[in-house]
Amino acid sequence: EAQVTQNPRYLITVTGKKLTVTCSQNMNHEYMSWYRQDPGLGLRQIYYSMNVEVTDKGDVPEGYKVSRKEKRNFPLILESPSPNQTSLYFCATRTGASYEQYFGPGTRLTVT
Amino acid sequence: EDKVVQSPLSLVVHEGDTVTLNCSYEVTNFRSLLWYKQEKKAPTFLFMLTSSGIEKKSGRLSSILDKKELFSILNITATQTGDSAVYLCAGAGGTSYGKLTFGQGTILTVHP
Repeated sequence: EAQVTQNPRYLITVTGKKLTVTCSQNMNHEYMSWYRQDPGLGLRQIYYSMNVEVTDKGDVPEGYKVSRKEKRNFPLILESPSPNQTSLYFCATRTGASYEQYFGPGTRLTVT
Repeated sequence: EDKVVQSPLSLVVHEGDTVTLNCSYEVTNFRSLLWYKQEKKAPTFLFMLTSSGIEKKSGRLSSILDKKELFSILNITATQTGDSAVYLCAGAGGTSYGKLTFGQGTILTVHP
């Protein structure tokens, strides 16, 4: 079954404690992307990756890091989380030729 | 800065009504306009529009793009309670066509 998985699904953490949210896909898609969703602001793109070792900034990259060492994985790293990074995070993938994205189930992060 | 604006932000209708959702965009190196439906989970893909004036249809939903005026509309006819959701539009563009900018979303509520 084609799927995008995210872990963890829920996380409560404290300011400054480094964390990683993993994203994995089994569809062999070249493109992967991270978004955050906040009430009234819609989805905002954090980073995207067109292929292995190729990443680029979206609209809100500050405070986040990503890496794409393998095609199937695209982890989102928060080196020093702050309360304004409390949000719902989505990972998404697509093939290089299409814009139809497949979204993961979401990770709800709370930073206190 | 890329921008996508949706209107109205919320809409309440009764079953059987027809609704029109609007999306205007300013996206660098614009490639495509996408519509998504989001219920209480991850967004699901509805349409991708690349060419002006060509209507895409899926059942009671249809959408069209006007690249000259930089907007798109999503029509839903004979609405049902199951159409209640947040409808998101997004503009795809950027230097490598990987950047996706979402609007704030339109919250549609359909009453029986």
